[in-house]
Amino acid sequence: SQQGEEDPQALSIQEGENATMNCSYKTSINNLQWYRQNSGRGLVHLILIRSNEREKHSGRLRVTLDTSKKSSSLLITASRAADTASYFCASSSSNQFYFGTGTSLTVIP
Amino acid sequence: ETGVTQSPTHLIKTRGQQVTLRCSSQSGHNTVSWYQQALGQGPQFIFQYYREEENGRGNFPPRFSGLQFPNYSSELNVNALELDDSALYLCASSLTSGGQETQYFGPGTRLLVL
Repeated sequence: SQQGEEDPQALSIQEGENATMNCSYKTSINNLQWYRQNSGRGLVHLILIRSNEREKHSGRLRVTLDTSKKSSSLLITASRAADTASYFCASSSSNQFYFGTGTSLTVIP
Repeated sequence: ETGVTQSPTHLIKTRGQQVTLRCSSQSGHNTVSWYQQALGQGPQFIFQYYREEENGRGNFPPRFSGLQFPNYSSELNVNALELDDSALYLCASSLTSGGQETQYFGPGTRLLVL
């Protein structure tokens, strides 16, 4: 069974707006990663945040991690139509990765 | 492009048959993980291989097995296929095991079991 959940399950915004997705996980982690998937194809790595980090930036992406609440958030600023995809968080513990259920983001041009 | 390839892209099998899916990792990556992704769900971890040995397994029965070869290729074998095995199967390679490294995913093999 999956050990993570994303919230919301689906999100629809206008181009230029910011999108925020949240992720919760259940076990202690080494790190947490966010991935993007277009139309059931392979996953593309976006950003990795280690368990001793609280915030990380990469371009238009901002990730936060709260290990006390076992939660993370992904913020995409100034969204574009090309950002339309499903977004997954993956928590890493020992030699296993646990993916969440995903957030489906639609950016309307 | 991640440098990870999978074959075939699509496959149709019937219940009870056996299937072998293949993955070619990035050169230098010692670790490969396999995932099953049902429609509308997140990927589920099947197992991980590090230097040709299984070193982590999810909640999948023994009829799911794997092999990793020295040339950075690997296989996922599924015996006695069931209808619920219909899914997208993803492999991902990384430099090392232990979950500290970014995983690079292939495009997946979509399996349909009739």
